[in-house]
Order: sequence, then C-alpha cells, then structure tokens
Amino acid sequence: EAGVTQFPSHSVIEKGQTVTLRCDPISGHDNLYWYRRVMGKEIKFLLHFVKESKQDESGMPNNRFLAERTGGTYSTLKVQPAELEDSGVYFCASSLTANTEAFFGQGTRLTVV
Amino acid sequence: AQRVTQPEKLLSVFKGAPVELKCNYSYSGSPELFWYVQYSRQRLQLLLRHISRESIKGFTADLNKGETSFHLKKPFAQEEDSAMYYCALSPYGGATNKLIFGTGTLLAVQP
Repeated sequence: EAGVTQFPSHSVIEKGQTVTLRCDPISGHDNLYWYRRVMGKEIKFLLHFVKESKQDESGMPNNRFLAERTGGTYSTLKVQPAELEDSGVYFCASSLTANTEAFFGQGTRLTVV
Repeated sequence: AQRVTQPEKLLSVFKGAPVELKCNYSYSGSPELFWYVQYSRQRLQLLLRHISRESIKGFTADLNKGETSFHLKKPFAQEEDSAMYYCALSPYGGATNKLIFGTGTLLAVQP
C-alpha cells in the first residue's frame, strides 16, 4: 500500500543554503498538510493545501519558507536561506477530505549547521 | 490561547499494569480531540478520536469538558504499546486536519 512519501529522509545543510523537501501524498487525496517538530517542542502546523490552493498558511514561520503544490499532486517545501533554528523534523500528511483521517509521511529530518 | 499539554515526557510501567497518559487542553470552543501514536521507526498514525468513541488496541479516552482533559487509558499494558503518544486538538470541531499537538509522552512498557 502506497502511503505518504517524503524525500529526502535526512538532509544536512549549511546555514544560508537552500533546501527543498518533497511530499507525495496518497493518490486521490486533495488535502495535504505540512507540519514540523523543532527539537524539544511540539509538532506544529505549517500549512494546508486543498488541491493546488493554499487553504491555510497561518503556521508558516516566515518568508524564508515557500510551499508549492503544482497540479495538486506532490508538494514541495523550500527553505531559503536556511537558518539554524529551522532544524527539525518536517512531516507531511494527506487526507481525502478535510475532516477524514490524515495519514502522515515518515518525515524529513533537517539539520542546519 | 489554544494549547495541548502533556505533562509527562516519559511514562514507564511494567507489563500488565494500568496505563494513563495525561492530556489537558485549552480551547474556548468545541474541539475534537485525538490521540496519535508513533511506534519505533514507524510513521505517526491516528490511534483514536473522541468523536468515534472507539476502543483501539485496548485504549480508550474520554473527553472531560469540565476538566478540559482527554486522558488515554489502558487497563493492562503490553510491551508492544511502547511508543510515543501525542494528544492533538482540532479547533474546528474536527472539520479540518489542522491540528494542535502536545509535546508527546514516551510510554515504555517493561517486561
């Protein structure tokens, strides 16, 4: 069974570099969410796509973060330029509708050094 | 402010002992509450949601609006229950998967 897939699983980059994280949702899931967990803190919502449209991006921390979902399929989350405080685990989740079960990917561990 | 609090970072119990993972929330409206679980090297997955009133893998959770709590309970812990447990809240009555998570509790069940 194909679940939510995230690439890469780990990324180590230097401060100031750019990193792009990718999420492939479950096929047919219109709703896609990005979350992140910074070390020692709770998992926090970043944004919600419905198909290719941003439904809610209230959790995006600043303008160094750019999320896209071209064609309403996979999504990318770009961090440019990366800062040390961006280190953490970035999770993607998808759901068929906005209120049905959300299925999570395995996460991307981002380390900014 | 909307918040979910899980006061215990680690809960260690022996196999067969009762388990209670605490969760308190702060929200003025009518939230929907969830418990998610992440087993070692696996993905975060939904364990149960209060609106379903189900018992999953022997776990139950009752929403107590007076105490604003949603504690997760199991009468007899098993070793395979060892995992990270997250309590989460949907501020729109479950209308969206925009969730507010607690910091999680690591449950360690000793043999």
